[in-house]
Amino acid sequence: VQLVESGGGLVKPGGSLRLSCVASGITFNTYSFNWVRQAPGKGLEWVASITNSGSYIYYADLVKGRFTISRDNAKDSLYLQMNSLRVADTAVYYCARDAPILPWFGELTGPIDSWGQGTLVTVSS
Amino acid sequence: EIVMTQSPATLSVSPGERATLSCRASQSVDRDLVWYQQKPGQAPRLIIYGASTRPTGIPARFSGSGSGTEFSLIISSLQSEDFAVYYCQQYNNWPRTFGPGTKVEF
Repeated sequence: VQLVESGGGLVKPGGSLRLSCVASGITFNTYSFNWVRQAPGKGLEWVASITNSGSYIYYADLVKGRFTISRDNAKDSLYLQMNSLRVADTAVYYCARDAPILPWFGELTGPIDSWGQGTLVTVSS
Repeated sequence: EIVMTQSPATLSVSPGERATLSCRASQSVDRDLVWYQQKPGQAPRLIIYGASTRPTGIPARFSGSGSGTEFSLIISSLQSEDFAVYYCQQYNNWPRTFGPGTKVEF
């Protein structure tokens, strides 16, 4: 499995950015996915999850209402639309795949078993 | 939200020694707990899931135990490549919270 993120960069506070993640080597629509971030020198922070059909979506409180996770199963792609960005959103953002081991309302989730290499988002004036 | 804590924050050990890392959840997560290893500049790597199951390719010197709220990761005989930061995370419910990490250093 290969997960390749793109779309990171420098943006001013209040600005927007859209991250993308393209998956290869897997049947994309059978997996749930996540975005996880890591601020410089800090720990891992879960941001959002989306189940394989896109029916169930979850967000961390810190990003709820500002970030939108989505997917296009026809393009094997995962997205994160980030609006109203804050300095505190500065981080490496990882695309991460769930192992499909836990049934969840007709879909499959589980622990993260694969990670991309990450894309850096810097929010600064 | 389930809060995950880890101890110690830093563990100083020598190669060949045994390392024991702890992770605690603020409420039961059953056995829905993973351990990740992260080295500088790299993405995390899954080393234990289901509290005690090693994925294919993870050396047998890594073992996990626990259930409910108390979990441990043991590295039986540290190798040079094991010096890293280790994170636990619960996947029992959303939000999928991580612990703050334990740095294993020489």
